[in-house]
Amino acid sequence: EVQLVESGGGLVQPGGSLRLSCAASGFTFSSHWMSWVRQAPGKGLEWVAHINQRGSEKSYVASVKGRFTISRDNAQNSLFLQMNSLRAEDTAVYYCARVMTTVTTDFDLWGPGMLVAVSS
Amino acid sequence: DIVMTQSPLSLPVTPGEPASISCRSSQNLLHSNGYTHLDWYQQKPGQSPQLLIYLASNRASGVPDRFSGSGSGTDFTLKISRVEAEDVGVYYCMQGLQTPYTFGQGTKLEIK
Repeated sequence: EVQLVESGGGLVQPGGSLRLSCAASGFTFSSHWMSWVRQAPGKGLEWVAHINQRGSEKSYVASVKGRFTISRDNAQNSLFLQMNSLRAEDTAVYYCARVMTTVTTDFDLWGPGMLVAVSS
Repeated sequence: DIVMTQSPLSLPVTPGEPASISCRSSQNLLHSNGYTHLDWYQQKPGQSPQLLIYLASNRASGVPDRFSGSGSGTDFTLKISRVEAEDVGVYYCMQGLQTPYTFGQGTKLEIK
């Protein structure tokens, strides 16, 4: 079955760290750009970061630059998001998403999401 | 950053009637590769978002043909020809022309 499944979320104190993982299955993971998208409770969608097939190109939204790091392990079909110096405003459901093709930037496959709650 | 503005933000619709959502971008979304990087997503209550339309007018796999996308440059529209009860949810446009990719505020479609 073609799917993405996130893990690693939970409750963390402000200033703390968390590492999200996304396990891919049912498709050739190494052929796709991948992204993280988040959604604060009751709010809209916000793109967080993306990474190319080989992990050599990465980009981040300004609010997480320098605090979050996206990475991947193609041998393990896994995507990661290392989140440091977490703030209350990082509280959200985090989705990993697959980019459909090499010439588009749309997300044709999403995981169910993982809640990250930053609170003391 | 490119700003995406949707209207309306709330859309009550009678089943069987058409619906239309507008999305405007602060910059032209036509890439030098000839593609217009505007996508539409549907998020049903309690679910992950789902791709509906990519590159402004292409229906994603499995999407019913009552959904259609149109537009170019900075003005785009998502149309539902005949709304069904299962279409309830929030609809987002997103620009993928340049990072940071940005979404519209979302349009909440509800059934009258």
